[in-house]
Amino acid sequence: DTAVSQTPKYLVTQMGNDKSIKCEQNLGHDTMYWYKQDSKKFLKIMFSYNNKELIINETVPNRFSPKSPDKAHLNLHINSLELGDSAVYFCASSQETGGPGNEQFFGPGTRLTVL
Amino acid sequence: SQQGEEDPQALSIQEGENATMNCSYKTSINNLQWYRQNSGRGLVHLILIRSNEREKHSGRLRVTLDTSKKSSSLLITASRAADTASYFCATEAGNTPLVFGKGTRLSVIA
Repeated sequence: DTAVSQTPKYLVTQMGNDKSIKCEQNLGHDTMYWYKQDSKKFLKIMFSYNNKELIINETVPNRFSPKSPDKAHLNLHINSLELGDSAVYFCASSQETGGPGNEQFFGPGTRLTVL
Repeated sequence: SQQGEEDPQALSIQEGENATMNCSYKTSINNLQWYRQNSGRGLVHLILIRSNEREKHSGRLRVTLDTSKKSSSLLITASRAADTASYFCATEAGNTPLVFGKGTRLSVIA
């Protein structure tokens, strides 16, 4: 009955490969997010989707492409992986974007290591 | 940028003591939220305080907000070893998503 789940938990891959991380939420939330947390624990938003539509796209290389097949899923596909992509990626969801009181629920994270 | 900045970066206390963490931000906000992150885990929402509120309590947590100084504090009373974690403040403004600070790493020593 996990609220926000991500797979895989760990991902080790070679430079240049393409990989995907999956995220699912069973909270009925309208908005989902992807965050990147670097080695210094700084958490930065990458994308935000509301009802399957992209609403936030921060300065992220276009090698990163989010895909939302339905409201409960937001997957992250990364092409041509680089060493600097190594980080922990978190998926999160909230009832809606903006407005008062929208706490976010986070997944457990996916630790990506690019060799 | 409205990014919150936590202070101190790291804090080490004895079990039973109180822990205070501060957060400063730069622009007007709708609300400010505090999250906890245990090692190797995702963030967990602790408490939300709206811009028109000054203080909020939840169990052993007490949060204050001073919008004139653009700052907030999180107080954990009677700390326990299980409180060891990183604590992040996050600000929400307009229709933009949360912007997180860099966190305070709290160590509670038994």
